[in-house]
Amino acid sequence: AQSVAQPEDQVNVAEGNPLTVKCTYSVSGNPYLFWYVQYPNRGLQFLLKYITGDNLVKGSYGFEAEFNKSQTSFHLKKPSALVSDSALYFCAVRDPSGAGNMLTFGGGTRLMVKP
Amino acid sequence: DAGVIQSPRHEVTEMGQEVTLRCKPISGHNSLFWYRQTMMRGLELLIYFNNNVPIDDSGMPEDRFSAKMPNASFSTLKIQPSEPRDSAVYFCASSLVLANTGELFFGEGSRLTVL
Repeated sequence: AQSVAQPEDQVNVAEGNPLTVKCTYSVSGNPYLFWYVQYPNRGLQFLLKYITGDNLVKGSYGFEAEFNKSQTSFHLKKPSALVSDSALYFCAVRDPSGAGNMLTFGGGTRLMVKP
Repeated sequence: DAGVIQSPRHEVTEMGQEVTLRCKPISGHNSLFWYRQTMMRGLELLIYFNNNVPIDDSGMPEDRFSAKMPNASFSTLKIQPSEPRDSAVYFCASSLVLANTGELFFGEGSRLTVL
């Protein structure tokens, strides 16, 4: 079975500082990994994904994530946070051997960026 | 191109009433997912369809919940009878199963309140 853990319920960072939102995963084979963002009263929006290749993946809004196979992690990062980045962030994993595109989501991490 | 369209956006009903939530996936997508989001349980997968066929409904909480996908452009999630603990935001998402890497595209959600 596949699973995702987001160890922090909330991350606080000052505007302009770098941010990291942590994610670890468990899957039997090579994982497909995703990050989504949810703004208040909105649906989830795709940010970026890792399928194969370069371990550093760049996505929307200046976000990037680093795949680390040995640590089974896929942390989301941004060099300089904006107040508008404040939202709920979800990490998700998919086992490629599974049927369809079924994703397993983590519990979410609320990012608060303060001016 | 229109995204995933859900209706209604908000529904308030009384315990025991039937609730029907509707979803129109992105044209050309062949996978459809129903998720439920609550503060206590986070994001839960209820059911997903591939090519209009239900593949995994193990997340459907109980027999009061049912989902259908009569054609590629429409799906419903029905709760009968509804209970206060069903209060949540219900999301529909669609995806194109292409090379098994497709990300999910979410609708804006239907916020259900059962009194």
